[in-house]
Amino acid sequence: EVQLVQSGAEVKRPGESLKISCKGSGYRFPFYWVGWVRQMPGKGLEWMGVIYPDDSDARYSPSFQGQVTMSVDKSSSTAYLQWSSLKASDTAMYYCARPVGSYVGYWGQGTRVTVSS
Amino acid sequence: QSALTQPPSASGSPGQSVTISCTGTSSDVGVYNYVSWYQQHPGKAPKLIIYDVNKRPSGVPDRFSGSKSDNTASLTVSGLQAEDEADYFCSSYAGTNNYVFGTGTKVTVL
Repeated sequence: EVQLVQSGAEVKRPGESLKISCKGSGYRFPFYWVGWVRQMPGKGLEWMGVIYPDDSDARYSPSFQGQVTMSVDKSSSTAYLQWSSLKASDTAMYYCARPVGSYVGYWGQGTRVTVSS
Repeated sequence: QSALTQPPSASGSPGQSVTISCTGTSSDVGVYNYVSWYQQHPGKAPKLIIYDVNKRPSGVPDRFSGSKSDNTASLTVSGLQAEDEADYFCSSYAGTNNYVFGTGTKVTVL
């Protein structure tokens, strides 16, 4: 069974850094793209980008290019999403997700990030 | 890439049908037969209920159906049940590992 298990909720101050994780299991992690989706409070879903674990090829949606960094650790089957300097507007739920061709087939449970002074 | 447009809300009584529209452009919904729909209950992750316009994953009731015409896709929930009350998001494949989502529709079962 494919599972994506994400790290727990985070509360941070503006300007702080953060790295959240997503551990894949039940499939050959290096050979399937892993994506990230943002959902701001009370809002819709936004596709942030994807990364291919085998060679760390990362593709960012234009809105998120330069704002976040995706990375992976193949040895632990874990994908990461990180910020170097958080803003209040980064407050959101973040989902990791595994595309299955034409659709997003698998979702993590979500990591809530709250940025507040 | 702009979000696909959905009505903010829809409602129906138990047993009735509700249809949600999802309007895109000739660069996403109009060019690909790759529209998917997701159901999201409060505090939960989205769940795939329709893919490739009108296909249902295993375990999704046949009360859920999808269709598409030109740049607009639709999700119909027939025989509404209390547990269908949720947010629904459409999505279109937009080329190589890129996806665009809809603005979301809150379905209320009266």
